[in-house]
Amino acid sequence: AQSVTQLGSHVSVSEGALVLLRCNYSSSVPPYLFWYVQYPNQGLQLLLKYTTGATLVKGINGFEAEFKKSETSFHLTKPSAHMSDAAEYFCAVMENYGQNFVFGPGTRLSVLP
Amino acid sequence: KAGVTQTPRYLIKTRGQQVTLSCSPISGHRSVSWYQQTPGQGLQFLFEYFSETQRNKGNFPGRFSGRQFSNSRSEMNVSTLELGDSALYLCASSLDWGGFEQYFGPGTRLTVT
Repeated sequence: AQSVTQLGSHVSVSEGALVLLRCNYSSSVPPYLFWYVQYPNQGLQLLLKYTTGATLVKGINGFEAEFKKSETSFHLTKPSAHMSDAAEYFCAVMENYGQNFVFGPGTRLSVLP
Repeated sequence: KAGVTQTPRYLIKTRGQQVTLSCSPISGHRSVSWYQQTPGQGLQFLFEYFSETQRNKGNFPGRFSGRQFSNSRSEMNVSTLELGDSALYLCASSLDWGGFEQYFGPGTRLTVT
């Protein structure tokens, strides 16, 4: 069964600093991978996804993630944090097309002035 | 294009009662998925409907049920409410079954007292 772990339930960075949110998955096959962001009192918004092709994926708001099969990882990065990036971030896996998403526990990102 | 709408946004119920939540997907989207979000368990998949048929089901008791109408609108029902059912219930729509691009609604916050 697939599972997703996100290292660090809470990450704090200074404005302008690098953002790195970690995601590792457990799957018997290379899965489809996603990052979602959730702002307070809102639903989830898709940041980026990896399905096939290039392993470095660019998303919205300057975020990107790299699929590393050997490390079973899909870490999310952004070169320079902005105050508006403060939110909860969820990594998700779909093992096979048509199956349901499995979400990680989430990482709350705080951006300090 | 209007986003996913969920009604009501907030709901307070008493143990033992039942509740029905509604979700209207983005126009043209035919698949609707439901998730439960709690601080302790995170985001958990409930079920997915496509063309009025349940295609996937998560690991929830039979008290949780859903349906989809011919216009793709979906409802989920929880019977015999328990305190542990207090959660944010999120609905997501996608164009087709198993779609990678899921668009989430703002959720219904259910409190069971």
